[in-house]
This record gives sequence, C-alpha cells and structure tokens, in this order.
Amino acid sequence: AQSVTQPDIHITVSEGASLELRCNYSYGATPYLFWYVQSPGQGLQLLLKYFSGDTLVQGIKGFEAEFKRSQSSFNLRKPSVHWSDAAEYFCAVGADNNNDMRFGAGTRLTVKP
Amino acid sequence: DAGITQSPRHKVTETGTPVTLRCHQTENHRYMYWYRQDPGHGLRLIHYSYGVKDTDKGEVSDGYSVSRSKTEDFLLTLESATSSQTSVYFCAISGQGDTEAFFGQGTRLTVV
Repeated sequence: AQSVTQPDIHITVSEGASLELRCNYSYGATPYLFWYVQSPGQGLQLLLKYFSGDTLVQGIKGFEAEFKRSQSSFNLRKPSVHWSDAAEYFCAVGADNNNDMRFGAGTRLTVKP
Repeated sequence: DAGITQSPRHKVTETGTPVTLRCHQTENHRYMYWYRQDPGHGLRLIHYSYGVKDTDKGEVSDGYSVSRSKTEDFLLTLESATSSQTSVYFCAISGQGDTEAFFGQGTRLTVV
C-alpha cells in the first residue's frame, strides 16, 4: 500500500516569510497527491491536488506544490505566510481508484508576528 | 462545506459499551470513509465503502465494524469500546475516479 512521510512535526515561521512543508510518498505507480489543512477543532480542507499533467499545481490561499517523481516528493510552498495560515497541514496519497487514501502524520505550522 | 454531517459531535462512553457513529451525506457520492485522527499518526483509515452494502477494511480496522444500507449513510460501530479507541473520528466522501475527499467536522469520542 502507499504511504506518506512528513518529516517535520512542527515548523515555526515569521509572518511574511516563505514556507515550504515537505512530503515524501511511496507508491509504485503514478500517485494521486493531496495537501489538506486543518484548523483547530475543524475538519480537513483541501488546499490542492495533483493527478497528472503540470507538476506545479496551484491551490487555494496562495499555496502551491510541486510533484517531483525522481524524489518521490510533493512539497507545499507559499511565498509569504500570513498569521491565518497557522494550522496543521496533511499530505495524502491516493491509489488509482481512490479507495485508500493514506495520510502523513501532519506538520503543525506556527506563525510568529 | 460539502453536505456531510457527523453525529454525535462529542461522546463519552464507558469501556465495554457499544458505540455507533453516524455519517450522513447529501452529495450522492459513491465512496465513504471512516478515519481516526491521533497525535503523531495523522489520519488512519478504519473502513471504507464503495457502494451500498460494499465495504472493505482499512489499515486500523480491528475493533470496528461498518454498515452502509443506504447511499447517504455510513455507520461506524465499536462493538465493545476500549480506551485505545479514544480519538477523533472523521468521515469523508468522494466521487468516482480522481476527485478529492470531503471531510466532515469530526466526532470526538472519549472512552473512560
């Protein structure tokens, strides 16, 4: 089965600074890749997804992610972080038929004023 | 928000008692999922359904059963709750093919 690793449990950045959250996946075929964000006490909201085509995908709230097959990575980026971006971020990988989506352990983002 | 409702939103129960969590959708999506979320583990799939009466196990299915008698409802049952099942449970739905999963607001279950 596919799996996901998010190496960073917690990241702190200053407001206005750039952000990169790492995600590495393991899957034999072309994966379906997702980034979700979860605010405290809330469900998960999709930021962006990759299925095929252009390896740089744009999402909501100014986020983007790049699929790099050679590195089995799908890192999330944002050029300038806002205080409202403080949340937990989850990377996920899906199989061909999307029956079994696997999540990483999450990265908690703190934004300093 | 996608039309997903989880009930109850919070529950405290005693060890050994049965518990049923309900997920209701109004989107007519084929796939429904139950996840549990625990610190350091992210979300782990318990069971999923790919149609009425069609279900399969996920990676952490022991101690849980599910049923789907209607497209819109997916029930998760803990036959005999244990303290290790204290968690936040999320229901998710998705359509056919390569669509995203939409999540409910979660159910916080405490087993004492």
